[in-house]
Amino acid sequence: DVKVTQSSRYLVKRTGEKVFLECVQDMDHENMFWYRQDPGLGLRLIYFSYDVKMKEKGDIPEGYSVSREKKERFSLILESASTNQTSMYLCASGPDEQFFGPGTRLTVL
Amino acid sequence: RKEVEQDPGPFNVPEGATVAFNCTYSNSASQSFFWYRQDCRKEPKLLMSVYSSGNEDGRFTAQLNRASQYISLLIRDSKLSDSATYLCSLNQAGTALIFGKGTTLSVSS
Repeated sequence: DVKVTQSSRYLVKRTGEKVFLECVQDMDHENMFWYRQDPGLGLRLIYFSYDVKMKEKGDIPEGYSVSREKKERFSLILESASTNQTSMYLCASGPDEQFFGPGTRLTVL
Repeated sequence: RKEVEQDPGPFNVPEGATVAFNCTYSNSASQSFFWYRQDCRKEPKLLMSVYSSGNEDGRFTAQLNRASQYISLLIRDSKLSDSATYLCSLNQAGTALIFGKGTTLSVSS
């Protein structure tokens, strides 16, 4: 079975802090994705990557950056967290269909 | 990026009922189609892929209608455990999956 893991299930940070969310997949997938999910807005794509050191902006990249130094790992970075970044963050990987990690519920105070 | 539209529901049905969800899409270039299931406060999980010829997995049947640009999911003999949100998604070549906002199903005894 595909396994996608995320570094934290719950995270509480303060406004202005730098936040790192890490995602690891064990299926040698080239494609990896970061989404956020908010009530009424559905899943929104933040960034994705088709290969090591490659990144593409999704629909809502503002306020975020990403890093893909190794094939299995895709990190999402909030350079200066703000309250409107309080959300559920979901990482996914897959060649066509996508497999999701358990999510990180981030609260920014 | 084109939208994917789903009726948000909720669909409230008794156990044993048959229920169907539709999902319309606007970009005829869409190539791959999927249904995901998401339980409350959990990550989406792949339910089934949708092929042009339609496909069935136990009580679940998925169909694709390219001419009318919609996909459907039929659930027969609904169980309490089918209560969840069902997300449709599609992939256009070279891009990430696009997700609908989901349809909520509640099955009651």
